[in-house]
Amino acid sequence: NAGVMQNPRHLVRRRGQEARLRCSPMKGHSHVYWYRQLPEEGLKFMVYLQKENIIDESGMPKERFSAEFPKEGPSILRIQQVVRGDSAAYFCASSPQTSGTSYEQYFGPGTRLTVT
Amino acid sequence: GEDVEQSLFLSVREGDSSVINCTYTDSSSTYLYWYKQEPGAGLQLLTYIFSNMDMKQDQRLTVLLNKKDKHLSLRIADTQTGDSAIYFCAESIDSSASKIIFGSGTRLSIRP
Repeated sequence: NAGVMQNPRHLVRRRGQEARLRCSPMKGHSHVYWYRQLPEEGLKFMVYLQKENIIDESGMPKERFSAEFPKEGPSILRIQQVVRGDSAAYFCASSPQTSGTSYEQYFGPGTRLTVT
Repeated sequence: GEDVEQSLFLSVREGDSSVINCTYTDSSSTYLYWYKQEPGAGLQLLTYIFSNMDMKQDQRLTVLLNKKDKHLSLRIADTQTGDSAIYFCAESIDSSASKIIFGSGTRLSIRP
């Protein structure tokens, strides 16, 4: 059973370009979470999605950031018009739907975004 | 508010026990977690404890929870070089544990 997969592992973008980060959850997992880790800091929650639904986006910046988890295919975190401050590691996690609780989140290896 | 704090660094001698401490502010925490992050890698869930427990042991790992003081600790017995990593304390504050609040991480280094 493959773990959470993220690609690309490293992404370099110039200021003003778009960044698309992909996350494939573990098989059988229907919940996906995105976190951002700035250098030397802990992870900050961004968004929680289930298939075709955004459940909690309280950690997402209001502009330029969007996330989706379509019925088919991976979850996508999209950052438009990137700025240097967007440089960070972006981690995706997934969890199973078990009796309404999802207390175990399994993390992917992360995508390290560098904005030049 | 939601805040999780932990010291930034810990250095221990190989073979000794490591104790990593964490404090949190939200009394409505449901689950508390310890994650391990090795250089350039994602986070690995080491262990978690439900908020109505005060201790959990799993091989070399012992988690202690003092709910009154909102204090969580992770003890690693017989610390090995492979334990070198950043250890994150985290809490979930809703019943579905969908949103996890992380501390800044404690970097554990092992000296010979």
